[in-house]
Parts: sequence; C-alpha cells; structure tokens
Amino acid sequence: AQSVSQHNHHVILSEAASLELGCNYSYGGTVNLFWYVQYPGQHLQLLLKYFSGDPLVKGIKGFEAEFIKSKFSFNLRKPSVQWSDTAEYFCAVGNTDKLIFGTGTRLQVFP
Amino acid sequence: GAGVSQTPSNKVTEKGKYVELRCDPISGHTALYWYRQSLGQGPEFLIYFQGTGAADDSGLPNDRFFAVRPEGSVSTLKIQRTERGDSAVYLCASSRSGAGEGAPLHFGNGTRLTVT
Repeated sequence: AQSVSQHNHHVILSEAASLELGCNYSYGGTVNLFWYVQYPGQHLQLLLKYFSGDPLVKGIKGFEAEFIKSKFSFNLRKPSVQWSDTAEYFCAVGNTDKLIFGTGTRLQVFP
Repeated sequence: GAGVSQTPSNKVTEKGKYVELRCDPISGHTALYWYRQSLGQGPEFLIYFQGTGAADDSGLPNDRFFAVRPEGSVSTLKIQRTERGDSAVYLCASSRSGAGEGAPLHFGNGTRLTVT
C-alpha cells in the first residue's frame, strides 16, 4: 500500500539550531516527492519538490531535502532555523496527480 | 494575485443534512483537487478534476460525496446525509497542469465543516 510516514510529530527548537525532519514512504514505481508547509493561519504551500536528477534539492527559505532511494527517505533539513519557521510541515509522495500526504510535523522555534 | 478561494470558511450543520462547499481556483488553472484534513492528520485525497471531468475520484469515501466542475473553473463538493465523521477541514487546490507534471498545488484556506 502507498503510504508516507513522518516520525516526528512535534519538534521544538531554539533559533539557530539545525533541523532535520524525517519522511519515509512506501510507493511502487517512480515517485515524485514534495514538502509542503503551513504557516499559522495560512494555507498549505510548496516548500520544495523532487522529480529526478540531483537527489539533493533546494527549496525556499534555505530549506533542502535529500532523496535517498535505498532508504525510501526524503528528509527535510535546514542548517539554522528562525522563529519564522514555526509551522506545520507535510511530506507528500505521488507519481500521478494524486498526492499522498504524511500526518505532518509541527515545528516550534523559540527565540 | 488572487489565490484559491473557498466558501464558506466555516460550516456547521446537523447530522443528516445536505451541504455544498465551493471552490474558486486560480484563473487559468486546469487541474483542481479536493482534499480532506481531519484533526492531527495530513490532507487526504478525495477527487481530482482536469478541466470539467473527474480524472480520479478514487478518494471519495462513499456515494454520499459528489463533486462537480461543470465549466472547468468553479467546483462544488456536495455531501448528502452528513454524518459526524464527516467533520473535517475540506481543502481545495488548483494547479496549472497536473501535479504529476511537476506543477505545484496552490491550496485554499479550506472550509471547516462541523456536523453536530
């Protein structure tokens, strides 16, 4: 069955700390991978995506993610978080027009 | 520019009633999606339109749920005989082409449906 697993449900960090959010998936065939972010009071928006090519992809606001095919993972990273990164982060996978989302990770960054 | 607009933002209804949720996509976007997000969960796919036709409705939970997009723009999600388990935030998203082609999904703010 197709599924996405985000192991970190709630992460609390201080500003300038490094961030890594885990995402593992189960999916048959070619897969496209996404991270979406939802800031407080706002709608979901795309952070970054991987379709093919370089497995290390860079997104907006200094975020990056690495696709490791052998581990079925697409972890999100940021070297130094800011208070404004407080949000909920969703990993999603799909190779058609139907995306499967994980349950999300709530990130709180304290000054 | 204008984003995806969903109305109403909140809807409270009694069990057994009929509700309609509306989505206005970004102008020119051919693809339109409905997702449902329950508390503590990620968005769950319901249905995808490409133009006027439903290209994939495999996520609709049962025949009480139906969605239309008659002119290839505005879409309405219709829920008959609502049940308390239908309570959730219903999200609409649109994209210039399909997500499978790399186009990002632009989400609306959702309609929070509460069935009492």
